[in-house]
Amino acid sequence: KAGVTQTPRYLIKTRGQQVTLSCSPISGHRSVSWYQQTPGQGLQFLFEYFSETQRNKGNFPGRFSGRQFSNSRSEMNVSTLELGDSALYLCASSLFAGSSYEQYFGPGTRLTVT
Amino acid sequence: DQQVKQNSPSLSVQEGRISILNCDYTNSMFDYFLWYKKYPAEGPTFLISISSIKDKNEDGRFTVFLNKSAKHLSLHIVPSQPGDSAVYFCAASGAGTASKLTFGTGTRLQVTL
Repeated sequence: KAGVTQTPRYLIKTRGQQVTLSCSPISGHRSVSWYQQTPGQGLQFLFEYFSETQRNKGNFPGRFSGRQFSNSRSEMNVSTLELGDSALYLCASSLFAGSSYEQYFGPGTRLTVT
Repeated sequence: DQQVKQNSPSLSVQEGRISILNCDYTNSMFDYFLWYKKYPAEGPTFLISISSIKDKNEDGRFTVFLNKSAKHLSLHIVPSQPGDSAVYFCAASGAGTASKLTFGTGTRLQVTL
């Protein structure tokens, strides 16, 4: 069974630009969560989508948004990029949402904002 | 505020010995706890989990202990192997927000020969 895939793996953007990251969950998984990992803040929850609906949201500004498609693939978008948005963005999928199912992570997208 | 804390940023253990990684939490609403292992340039890999109704869960060389009164959990790896060298994160979630994991800052484990 293929794991969680994320594209692109690396990305360099300039301040003020916007970026879209993509995540394909494990086949059959319907829940997709996004996390940001930085050296200073560690792994922080961004949001979770299940059946194309956002179910949970972390404490990030509105510049961070996401969506999920009917095939469970998900995208996250960051508008008006800031230097502090440089991070590893991780996507995780799980079978269900709303219960304690383990999440399986993709390799991440390394975003560098210059 | 840091609701999940791993106070030891690094740990070095000899091959064959026990590795004990610790994690403390402050939010009493957390009811499910997980440990993940992370290698460089990879996403975290799920290792083992425990529900708050239990105080111990074993899976092969990995055992997680939960002390709810102390809001403390630990991961024991016995015996430690060089391939266990990685960064270990503990994570927690609460009822109703099970998909929203709160992570600790990680402990880098090095298993030496």
